[in-house]
Amino acid sequence: QSVLTQPPSASGTPGQRVTISCSGSSSNIGSNTVNWYQQLPGTAPKLLIYSNNQRPSGVPDRFSGSKSGTSASLAISGLQSEDEADYYCAAWDDSLNGLFGGGTKLTVL
Amino acid sequence: EVQLVESGGGLVKPGGSLRLSCAASGFTFSSYSMNWVRQAPGKGLEWVSSISSSSSYIYYADSVKGRFTISRDNAKNSLYLQMNSLRAEDTAVYYCARDIVLMSVWFDPWGQGTLVTVSS
Repeated sequence: QSVLTQPPSASGTPGQRVTISCSGSSSNIGSNTVNWYQQLPGTAPKLLIYSNNQRPSGVPDRFSGSKSGTSASLAISGLQSEDEADYYCAAWDDSLNGLFGGGTKLTVL
Repeated sequence: EVQLVESGGGLVKPGGSLRLSCAASGFTFSSYSMNWVRQAPGKGLEWVSSISSSSSYIYYADSVKGRFTISRDNAKNSLYLQMNSLRAEDTAVYYCARDIVLMSVWFDPWGQGTLVTVSS
């Protein structure tokens, strides 16, 4: 069981907005920044959001991140079929460990 | 182009050892911290270990502490993971990833991964 808690699944129809939550504690999300990764089927993870809400170049502005207290969220607006993937939140923990959420499988209906 | 290429994976018996390598290119390797992350079949991502740019700071997940050793050779632009006393639960695809900021889990890019299978 992951220290960072994500819902195992999420879904939406094309064009919809979906959000994925990530819940932690004061020793990880509460005191460190959150990053998000997208893993398309059969591929390596790719950085999607860094430092809570920053998008690397090349990531569409349909993807956005936010953080409040010990929780973070990833929002995807204008959902597209190519967004179907696994999404992971990640943060450092003050116990000197890197942490990933358990992952959320996004299905585009 | 920034690229990371892992190698060294394979089939090993429980209790055995394996050494993974990650060849870096397209960036100044000696300026970045590096990491290993693994993913068991059908499971999520698990951070394994981090090493700072000069090897001064090294961190391990509790699940591998005392069995795995991370190292790097900046002259060869290479990252390594020596895995000893392997267990069935170490079976996973192992990714190397460049750390943008040490102790941040801000990894970009990732290699394509190498599969390690621990089985008798």
